[in-house]
Amino acid sequence: DIVMTQSPDSLAVSLGERATINCKSSQSVLYTSNNKNNLAWYQQKPGQPPKLLIYWASARGSGVPDRFSGSGSGTDFTLTISSLQAEDVAVYYCQQYFSIPLTFGGGTKVEIK
Amino acid sequence: EVQLLESGGGLVQRGGSLRISCAASGFMFSSCAMSWVRQAPGKGLEWVSTISDGGDSTNYADSAKGRFTISRDNSKNTLFLQMNSLRAEDTAIYYCAKSDGYNYDSSFDVWGQGTMVTVSS
Repeated sequence: DIVMTQSPDSLAVSLGERATINCKSSQSVLYTSNNKNNLAWYQQKPGQPPKLLIYWASARGSGVPDRFSGSGSGTDFTLTISSLQAEDVAVYYCQQYFSIPLTFGGGTKVEIK
Repeated sequence: EVQLLESGGGLVQRGGSLRISCAASGFMFSSCAMSWVRQAPGKGLEWVSTISDGGDSTNYADSAKGRFTISRDNSKNTLFLQMNSLRAEDTAIYYCAKSDGYNYDSSFDVWGQGTMVTVSS
């Protein structure tokens, strides 16, 4: 099984400042046939279902603001919120869809400092 | 508008069975893999099962193998999860999720609101 490890578990960032969340997979999730990383990021606000933010490690989901960006390849990935807004308070999860079983990171809680 | 609406959750005794459903609308249901993802109270996300677009391929988490069965009715745009031999640790919100592709190797681009399953001991 591919283990997804997120860090930190939580972080507090001032409004307008940058938030950075890391995700490390225990094996590479890079498909060499198409050179795409099978890695997604989701945002879950309290009392709501998750929402897709980023897929293929760096492609933004439909309607996702451009302050959210994803980067990385192979086993190391980052989600960056360039200028934190109040509505970005949520838990963020990474997920690999490279192999079964599909696995999620433990989540990172983002709060306002 | 793309929508997923789960139903069928509730309270069930340990060892009992439950079937939950997910009604899809607003997209070509028969062209997308579909999945169930659960979230225990206060915990993170756990993938449960995925079924391919045509229903000919299914995959399960170890925690679901042998007890849960995923299925779909493409004529009715509906996804199902039959859960047998339920345990206390199966207590969770069960989300239906649409894949951005025809098999498991794609992200979940649409999620339902979830249905709560509570297993009492």
